[in-house]
Amino acid sequence: EDQVTQSPEALRLQEGESSSLNCSYTVSGLRGLFWYRQDPGKGPEFLFTLYSAGEEKEKERLKATLTKKESFLHITAPKPEDSATYLCAVRNTGFQKLVFGTGTRLLVSP
Amino acid sequence: DAGITQSPRHKVTETGTPVTLRCHQTENHRYMYWYRQDPGHGLRLIHYSYGVKDTDKGEVSDGYSVSRSKTEDFLLTLESATSSQTSVYFCAISESGEDTQYFGPGTRLTVL
Repeated sequence: EDQVTQSPEALRLQEGESSSLNCSYTVSGLRGLFWYRQDPGKGPEFLFTLYSAGEEKEKERLKATLTKKESFLHITAPKPEDSATYLCAVRNTGFQKLVFGTGTRLLVSP
Repeated sequence: DAGITQSPRHKVTETGTPVTLRCHQTENHRYMYWYRQDPGHGLRLIHYSYGVKDTDKGEVSDGYSVSRSKTEDFLLTLESATSSQTSVYFCAISESGEDTQYFGPGTRLTVL
């Protein structure tokens, strides 16, 4: 059964304090690992898709990386507006469905 | 932002009543999805559609039905709402089954 585990559940950072969020997965044939950002009371907002080990994607202060077992979302010099829940999801070769982790709640204090 | 709207945005209903949630898209995407989001669980797929009148079950489909009579609209119906269906419901769309899914703003449903 496909599974996604995100850690930590919650993370508190000071503005400018870089850190990483982890997404560990088990899937029968990865056909994409997805990162989303979700603000309170809103729908998930797409950030990145990664397809193969070694792939990296960047957007502003965020950088996503992928290995055969996990993905990291690196946040460099975060700002308070980066505060949100970050969701990770995987899709396998057999289905057009996503399996989501429970997310990491990030709070960046000024 | 992807052109996805959900209605209503909030609803309070009583156990045993039927409820229908609507998802409307302006992107002409073939695939549409219904998820629910609960504390301690990731987003879980309820049903999805891969074309007009073509639907399939997700992992938590019991107690839910769907219909898609037009490309732009995907309806989720709770035939007889129960308290366990209190949740936030999200609609998502994608051009194909292989593409990125984009999410709507959600509907918060409370069943008393």
